Amino acid sequence: DTEVTQTPKHLVMGMTNKKSLKCEQHMGHRAMYWYKQKAKKPPELMFVYSYEKLSINESVPSRFSPECPNSSLLNLHLHALQPEDSALYLCASSQLRPDTQYFGPGTRLTVL
Amino acid sequence: GENVEQHPSTLSVQEGDSAVIKCTYSDSASNYFPWYKQELGKRPQLIIDIRSNVGEKKDQRIAVTLNKTAKHFSLHITETQPEDSAVYFCAATKDSENYGQNFVFGPGTRLSVLP
Repeated sequence: DTEVTQTPKHLVMGMTNKKSLKCEQHMGHRAMYWYKQKAKKPPELMFVYSYEKLSINESVPSRFSPECPNSSLLNLHLHALQPEDSALYLCASSQLRPDTQYFGPGTRLTVL
Repeated sequence: GENVEQHPSTLSVQEGDSAVIKCTYSDSASNYFPWYKQELGKRPQLIIDIRSNVGEKKDQRIAVTLNKTAKHFSLHITETQPEDSAVYFCAATKDSENYGQNFVFGPGTRLSVLP
């Protein structure tokens, strides 16, 4: 199984809402990632988890809160987002050594 | 830190022609270079990759070449087909012990294959 899954596919939320994005992989990868992608731009790294521990936080605002409950699951908790946070949020996983990152289908987030 | 540049930003070719996209990187320690294809509304998908101990790699109509001295790598697509139309991203990364990989992506090339 070389697939990363993400839910939901689409999410519309107000600026006062709290929501969560979910990501799952069963490839035994020990690194998992959250990316934000705006239209016509490359994916922008937000967080990296290795061995279920946060190893990279690319100066992301605290309204984004990642969580890695186990080696297969990755969550991104959202609170008090701004309209400019509207984007495609991609999850990915990989081995720890330099190797392919497998991307999930993404969650299209719209903040009203 | 690493910086990846990518050219051209847009490329139009006639069906059957070849397409070449070039990326340059700044960190000589980078040792893994993947290429991703992203169709509209879909996830980035790996199409080919190359490691720093290899100069060239080919997979059917797709090839990648790496020049470590000049710090650039290129994607070559031959006999292009309309379904090759997409945005292509190059990336570079290096060993980082247990910290996962910090892929640095190029800004992307929008390839249009005209029938």
